Formats: sequence, structure tokens, C-alpha cells
Amino acid sequence: DTAVSQTPKYLVTQMGNDKSIKCEQNLGHDTMYWYKQDSKKFLKIMFSYNNKELIINETVPNRFSPKSPDKAHLNLHINSLELGDSAVYFCASSQDRGVAYNSPLHFGNGTRLTVT
Amino acid sequence: KQEVTQIPAALSVPEGENLVLNCSFTDSAIYNLQWFRQDPGKGLTSLLLIQSSQREQTSGRLNASLDKSSGRSTLYIAASQPGDSATYLCAVKGQAGTALIFGKGTTLSVSS
Repeated sequence: DTAVSQTPKYLVTQMGNDKSIKCEQNLGHDTMYWYKQDSKKFLKIMFSYNNKELIINETVPNRFSPKSPDKAHLNLHINSLELGDSAVYFCASSQDRGVAYNSPLHFGNGTRLTVT
Repeated sequence: KQEVTQIPAALSVPEGENLVLNCSFTDSAIYNLQWFRQDPGKGLTSLLLIQSSQREQTSGRLNASLDKSSGRSTLYIAASQPGDSATYLCAVKGQAGTALIFGKGTTLSVSS
């Protein structure tokens, strides 16, 4: 009955590789997010999708490409991985339209990416 | 651009103490403010959400206040317990279509 689930939990890879992280939510929310938490534990928004439409695209290298096949899924694909991409990536969801607009943000447990 | 600051960055208290965590934000045009808890190696758990029209919210031993005009929020934890040890994050949301902007958190350690 996990609300927001992301896989894998750990990802160790070499520089230059391409990798994907998957995220699914079963809360019926209309908006999904990717956040990056750096080594200093600072959480920063990367992308936001509302009903499969890209809403927020912060200053993120274009090696990062989110893909939302439906409103319950938001995957993150990263090309040509670099050492600086090492971080914990969190998927989250919320309801951003209608009477439930003030619903809290629900997070997955994170994917720890290590690039060597 | 919205910036969120949390003070102190770390706090150590003995069990049973009441404590206050502080959060400030630069743009008072917010829709809501949320407090989260993060345990090591885990995701974030929502603790309290205060809508911009509200002044406070309570859940058990937790009470969060919001003073939008001064750009401040506090999280009050009563009778702290070792299980409260975690990092507490404050985040603010602007209008529809914007993402939560987070502070850097306060790491709390409660000793028994």
C-alpha cells in the first residue's frame, strides 16, 4: 500500500553511463515532482508534471529528461552521468488542483545515486 | 525569488524539554507552509500544513505557527523524546503550479 514508490533504492554506476529512476504514486494525485538532495542535505526542485504536462523545469542540465506516461508515473532518465550527479533523488506527489489544493506533499524513500 | 532559512542548523536537548524550531521566508505571498520530518536514509514525512489564511496547526505534541506578514513560522515540540531525533524541514508553496521551496533543515538530537 506504498503511496509513492521509486526504484531502485540504490544506483551505483560509472561516469558516462545512462540510467533511469522510476516513480509511481497510487494516491490519485495530479502533480508529481523530482527533487535532488545534495551532500549537504539541501532539497532542490528539478521538475514538476501536472497531468503529464511539464509545469516546472528548473535550471537542470538537459542530460536530465523526465518522462510522464500517465499522471501516476514520473520517470527520470539521466544521460552521460557525471560525478556531480551523485546525490539522493526524491520523487513526490501532491494534489494541485481543486479543493484538495492544500494537500501535503508525499515523498518516496529516495534513490541514492553514486557515480564513480 | 523565494528563500527559506531555518535556525538553528542543529539542536541537542535532553529528553523532556520543550523546544522551538524557527523558519523564515523572504516572500510573504505564499499559499501554504509545510513542516516535514526526515529520518536518516529515509524520505520526508509531512508533519503539519498551515494554509496562508491560518495562524497555527496542531498535531499531538507538535504545534506550528505562521506569521505570513513577517515571513516566519515556528515548530514547537512539547516534551521531547529520543524518537523525535530527526531533521526537520520547513517548506513554502506559492501559487498553483509552483513547487515547494525548502529550507536546509534543523537536525534535532534528543538524548535520554
